[in-house]
Amino acid sequence: DQQVKQNSPSLSVQEGRISILNCDYTNSMFDYFLWYKKYPAEGPTFLISISSIKDKNEDGRFTVFLNKSAKHLSLHIVPSQPGDSAVYFCAASDNIIQGAQKLVFGQGTRLTINP
Amino acid sequence: NAGVTQTPKFRILKIGQSMTLQCTQDMNHNYMYWYRQDPGMGLKLIYYSVGAGITDKGEVPNGYNVSRSTTEDFPLRLELAAPSQTSVYFCASRDLFLRSSQETQYFGPGTRLLVL
Repeated sequence: DQQVKQNSPSLSVQEGRISILNCDYTNSMFDYFLWYKKYPAEGPTFLISISSIKDKNEDGRFTVFLNKSAKHLSLHIVPSQPGDSAVYFCAASDNIIQGAQKLVFGQGTRLTINP
Repeated sequence: NAGVTQTPKFRILKIGQSMTLQCTQDMNHNYMYWYRQDPGMGLKLIYYSVGAGITDKGEVPNGYNVSRSTTEDFPLRLELAAPSQTSVYFCASRDLFLRSSQETQYFGPGTRLLVL
């Protein structure tokens, strides 16, 4: 049972345009969501997160939107740059404050930014 | 700070062999985690630890063991390697207390394991 799904294995975007990566989840107990970026032969690095009490969080070129009723979140990157080419993972956890933050990951979306 | 370090980077094992994947962090983090990533899939939690002497199972613990004798180290043990354990293994750590709204786990570079 895949609790976190990223239905697009890959996405190709022109440099300077907006990249939109999507993620769906099924577990209504999830209260914290994160996006990680991963380059080949490296570990994932944290990009941005959002708590379930918010519906939007911005950090520079990166914005995450959360739609709790649809159990859907998206990552917007604008403008997209060649260095953004990587695999992006969506992750979720429940009980963020007291718990051990056991992350559940999506399958990842490979983003390619074309010059 | 070196962050989270993992050794070895790559290893080939024969079926039935055993090995220990090493993980060390120098950030004095209480929480540590082991994940595996199979090709085309997301990361799955194997084991985690909330502090020295305390460990617990994650989503896919079968075939693995862990120990946490110090804050810094969290080794993962494979006792009888099987082809299904061919994967990339990531160790991660996290601080105990929320310091900001952007709490996250910090990952090591991974160990690629091939079981033949």
